[in-house]
Amino acid sequence: NAGVTQTPKFQVLKTGQSMTLQCAQDMNHEYMSWYRQDPGMGLRLIHYSVGAGITDQGEVPNGYNVSRSTTEDFPLRLLSAAPSQTSVYFCASSLQRNNSPLHFGNGTRLTVT
Amino acid sequence: AQSVTQPDIHITVSEGASLELRCNYSYGATPYLFWYVQSPGQGLQLLLKYFSGDTLVQGIKGFEAEFKRSQSSFNLRKPSVHWSDAAEYFCAVGASSGYSTLTFGKGTMLLVSP
Repeated sequence: NAGVTQTPKFQVLKTGQSMTLQCAQDMNHEYMSWYRQDPGMGLRLIHYSVGAGITDQGEVPNGYNVSRSTTEDFPLRLLSAAPSQTSVYFCASSLQRNNSPLHFGNGTRLTVT
Repeated sequence: AQSVTQPDIHITVSEGASLELRCNYSYGATPYLFWYVQSPGQGLQLLLKYFSGDTLVQGIKGFEAEFKRSQSSFNLRKPSVHWSDAAEYFCAVGASSGYSTLTFGKGTMLLVSP
């Protein structure tokens, strides 16, 4: 089982560049989300989706866009990267049942110079 | 607003010794509580969760946690630590309405000494 797959694993961007972090899951999960992890900050929710065509903002959405055209994919777009977006990004997914665990990808380490 | 406090940033435990990682939460209703573990370069893996019922919950890898409503705590325990348990541990609290409400603590890094 592939689970939650994130690409790329590492990325270096210059300030102002754009890029898309990819996330795909093969578990037919309705719920998908993006977190960023910064030292001493834990994980903070950026955006989430409860199904295809439905997205909403989390705690730290500014500077990021998402879309959910299929159940499997939930890309995260940085339109104009800033050094403050240097972080490790995690995608996670789950069934919508409350007792279903959240499955995480292995992360994308992004550096913006 | 809900919040999670993990008071210990780092903890060092000798291999074979017992472990307790502390977690305190703030939440207005009955919370959903979770412990996750993150090995270096990896995503988070669920260790255990509490939704309702028995306040002592068993998880994977020999971990357990006890929900104490009166103390707003959900401490993680293991009777005998193995070197492979060295990792970062996150406590999280959420609402019954779904994972979009999940709030993570800042994590506790566990170091295991020989």
